[in-house]
Amino acid sequence: GAGVSQSPRYKVAKRGQDVALRCDPISGHVSLFWYQQALGQGPEFLTYFQNEAQLDKSGLPSDRFFAERPEGSVSTLKIQRTQQEDSAVYLCASSLALGRGRVGYTFGSGTRLTVV
Amino acid sequence: GENVGLHLPTLSVQEGDNSIINCAYSNSASDYFIWYKQESGKGPQFIIDIRSNMDKRQGQRVTVLLNKTVKHLSLQIAATQPGDSAVYFCAEKVGQAGTALIFGKGTTLSVSS
Repeated sequence: GAGVSQSPRYKVAKRGQDVALRCDPISGHVSLFWYQQALGQGPEFLTYFQNEAQLDKSGLPSDRFFAERPEGSVSTLKIQRTQQEDSAVYLCASSLALGRGRVGYTFGSGTRLTVV
Repeated sequence: GENVGLHLPTLSVQEGDNSIINCAYSNSASDYFIWYKQESGKGPQFIIDIRSNMDKRQGQRVTVLLNKTVKHLSLQIAATQPGDSAVYFCAEKVGQAGTALIFGKGTTLSVSS
């Protein structure tokens, strides 16, 4: 497709349940980012991939959060043993750029996760 | 003192007015800045960007001004339209493409006709 696609759009999980969120970036985009956006706040960085390599995971809030991009295209963000504070919109963004210069990040519409 | 432009969480304007949205960024080493528009239920949408070696950049109906002395960024929207109603975020980046964006506090723009 022409844009970044995320699924599911909405996910309700019971506390303690594991969830997996999927991101299909724009074809050919090398860089892929995950962000977490709490209600009423700006997005906050979680992790970054360059192709299949996870180069920065400094924003992952705990070891319950895990992300992968095994073939350098589709990425999955997994949250284990979900807690209420994990409730947020999870945004994926992709970019063609590798080096310095203008970076055209394209965001998906996000997955809204609600933990009950 | 110098007027650096206060960040307002909400801004209400009439259709046809010009809008100015302000942002204070955090890192003096940031070298790239982006303004995003986010509508309800959607991801942030790119509006305009500017590099730190510039102080002004214009797009279609939008202008971004950068004041590095006081670490201040502003977005000007000319002839604001109802379709411009959304939350606007500024974002800053340091270094190479893989560096994360740091988003500022959003401003909710409401345009009444």
